[in-house]
Amino acid sequence: KAGVTQTPRYLIKTRGQQVTLSCSPISGHRSVSWYQQTPGQGLQFLFEYFSETQRNKGNFPGRFSGRQFSNSRSEMNVSTLELGDSALYLCASSLAPGTSLGELFFGEGSRLTVL
Amino acid sequence: GQQLNQSPQSMFIQEGEDVSMNCTSSSIFNTWLWYKQDPGEGPVLLIALYKAGELTSNGRLTAQFGITRKDSFLNISASIPSDVGIYFCAGPTGGTSYGKLTFGQGTILTVHP
Repeated sequence: KAGVTQTPRYLIKTRGQQVTLSCSPISGHRSVSWYQQTPGQGLQFLFEYFSETQRNKGNFPGRFSGRQFSNSRSEMNVSTLELGDSALYLCASSLAPGTSLGELFFGEGSRLTVL
Repeated sequence: GQQLNQSPQSMFIQEGEDVSMNCTSSSIFNTWLWYKQDPGEGPVLLIALYKAGELTSNGRLTAQFGITRKDSFLNISASIPSDVGIYFCAGPTGGTSYGKLTFGQGTILTVHP
């Protein structure tokens, strides 16, 4: 059973640019969550999607957005990149809200460096 | 918002030693989760706790859900080199959904052979 797949694994952008990160959940999983991981702030929740609807949103500025497609794949976008957006962006999937009993399956992440 | 405080922040131990780490919160959590993150990987769930006072084991790992629902500990017995990594406690803060988790800042474990 394939795990959560995130692309790209590594990318370098410059300030002011935008970036789109992609996540393919485990087959059959319909819920996708995104997290930002930095040395200073740790793991912070960005969004959660289920059935193409955003269920929860973290405390991030509007430059951070996401969406989920009908096949449960998800993308997140960061516009007008800032140096502080450099981080590991992790995607996690689960069967459906309330059914996973806390088990999120994480991908390996997309490491974004903003210069 | 709800915060989880983990201690210690880091540990350096010899192979074969036992390890204990804990997590506290000022708010009540109905579920406590312990994740481990290996270098270059995403976190992996180790143990999930759902009832106050619950003690759960998974191989050499044992975790307990504090009776006040504001704390939890994780013990690792007879540590081995592959136990190296970052250990996170986490709790769901998204209502009925488990997709939104609040994580502690992590305990970095180093095991010397």
